[in-house]
Amino acid sequence: KAGVTQTPRYLIKTRGQQVTLSCSPISGHRSVSWYQQTPGQGLQFLFEYFSETQRNKGNFPGRFSGRQFSNSRSEMNVSTLELGDSALYLCASSVSTGTKNIQYFGAGTRLSVL
Amino acid sequence: GQQLNQSPQSMFIQEGEDVSMNCTSSSIFNTWLWYKQDPGEGPVLLIALYKAGELTSNGRLTAQFGITRKDSFLNISASIPSDVGIYFCAGNSGTYKYIFGTGTRLKVLA
Repeated sequence: KAGVTQTPRYLIKTRGQQVTLSCSPISGHRSVSWYQQTPGQGLQFLFEYFSETQRNKGNFPGRFSGRQFSNSRSEMNVSTLELGDSALYLCASSVSTGTKNIQYFGAGTRLSVL
Repeated sequence: GQQLNQSPQSMFIQEGEDVSMNCTSSSIFNTWLWYKQDPGEGPVLLIALYKAGELTSNGRLTAQFGITRKDSFLNISASIPSDVGIYFCAGNSGTYKYIFGTGTRLKVLA
């Protein structure tokens, strides 16, 4: 079974631009979560989608948005990029079995904002 | 954002030594997960724990779900050079939102 696939792996953008990242979850997983990872802040939760609906949201500004499609693939968009948005963006997919909910991560998209 | 307290932050050990790290929370969790992350890659799941007191092993790795449900521990026995990386704990209280630890950076000296 293929793992979580994130594209692209690397991106370089300039301030003010916008960017879209893509995540294809493990087959059968309906929940997709997005995280931002920086050396100073660690792994910070952005949002989680399930069946095309955002279920949870972290404390990020409205410039960060996402969506999920009917095939569970998800995209994350960041508008009006700032230097501080440079980070590794990780996507995790999960499936719940009763009370068990395990997240599996993709390799991430490394975004550099110049 | 919210993070779990994970310690130690980093450690240098000799190959063959055992390693212990832990994670504490102010909240009660239903699930604890432990991940390892190599540079430039996403975290890879090592062990999942689902109930208080649970002790689970994965090869040389053993993790425990604390009985208070506010902490978890990871032990690595007989460390080898490929154990190098950053280890993260993550807790979930049933809301599908995981809170991650600050990470333990492990370096193994051959």
